[in-house]
Formats: sequence, C-alpha cells, structure tokens
Amino acid sequence: AQTVTQSQPEMSVQEAETVTLSCTYDTSESDYYLFWYKQPPSRQMILVIRQEAYKQQNATENRFSVNFQKAAKSFSLKISDSQLGDAAMYFCAYRESNSGYALNFGKGTSLLVTP
Amino acid sequence: DADVTQTPRNRITKTGKRIMLECSQTKGHDRMYWYRQDPGLGLRLIYYSFDVKDINKGEISDGYSVSRQAQAKFSLSLESAIPNQTALYFCATSSGLYYGYTFGSGTRLTVV
Repeated sequence: AQTVTQSQPEMSVQEAETVTLSCTYDTSESDYYLFWYKQPPSRQMILVIRQEAYKQQNATENRFSVNFQKAAKSFSLKISDSQLGDAAMYFCAYRESNSGYALNFGKGTSLLVTP
Repeated sequence: DADVTQTPRNRITKTGKRIMLECSQTKGHDRMYWYRQDPGLGLRLIYYSFDVKDINKGEISDGYSVSRQAQAKFSLSLESAIPNQTALYFCATSSGLYYGYTFGSGTRLTVV
C-alpha cells in the first residue's frame, strides 16, 4: 500500500491568519487522486478538497487550496483567513488503485484555531 | 436520513463478547469499506467489498470478520472482543469514481 505521511501531529493558527498543513506520499503510480478530509469533534468525515494527479493546476475550494508538487510527492493544504470552525483533525488521503479503491489515510494533523 | 447509517453510535462491551457493528447505505454504491480510527494512527482499512460475493481483507483484518448481506448492508463483527479493539469504527461507500466517497457517522466501541 502507498504510504501517506503527515509530519505535523498538531498545528496552531490565529483567527484570520493562514496555515499550511503538510502531506507527503509514496507511490509508483502516475495517475492517482489525493484528498484532504476534515474531522471536527462531531467525528463526521468531511471532504475538504481533492486533486487529480494528472491535473497540473492546484485545486481550490473557497478558503482552502492545495500545493500539489507531483515530482516531490507533496500535497499540502493551505487554509486562508482561518476561522474558529476550522478547528478539527485534518487527514490527507490517497486513493488506492488496488484495495477496491479504498482511501489510504495519513495519521492526521490536529488544528487549533485561537481567537 | 443519512446516506450511510451506522449502528450503534456508541457501544460498551465486555472482553470476550461477540459484537456486530452494522452499516447500511442508500447511495446505491457497490463498494463498501470498514475502517478503524485510533488516536495518532489515522484511519486504517479493515475490510472492503465490491459486492455481496466479493469480500477482501484490508490492512488490519485480524480479529474481525464481515458480512455483506445485500448490496446496501455491510456488517463488521468482533467474534471475541478485546480491549485493544477499543476504537472509532467507520463505514464508507464508494461508487468507484474518484469523487464518490461517503462516510457514516462512526461507531465508538469501548471494550472493557
């Protein structure tokens, strides 16, 4: 299985500031999909953003954007104008081509947003 | 109603007991998955299924079994629960398309 690494167990950001969460992955595939999921205290898994590897353009969803560096196998999430509601666990995930296209998750980054 | 429903939401059971976690979906997806979440370890795949006749082990299947009773139902069983199976369990479905993942709200299982 491909390896997904999130090197920051915890991050903190002040309200209205910008924060970047890191994710690297290991794969030999050329075509794949990457995701960021948010898990608030309600424990619901919420899709934040997804990226197709064949697309060079970085995905953007409102205040959330990614920096996708295919050669470096890096997929970081940038949250702009952070809000208190952004406080959550964030998981980076890789869509496996085997394992029934299951998502392979990193260990997560806990984001704290301070007023 | 939720697209993917997991029951129970929370459960406390004793060591050695058999317990079943249930998952049902109204998405019409053919692929279903069971994940386990532990603090600091993320979500890990236990089992996955393409259809009622196709069930496959994931990364951490030891101590677990599953049953796909129908396309819409996928149950996870712990035959003899042990304390290190205390975790948050998620069921998820997929259409096979890259954007078609739906998660249930999770079952928090505590084995004492």
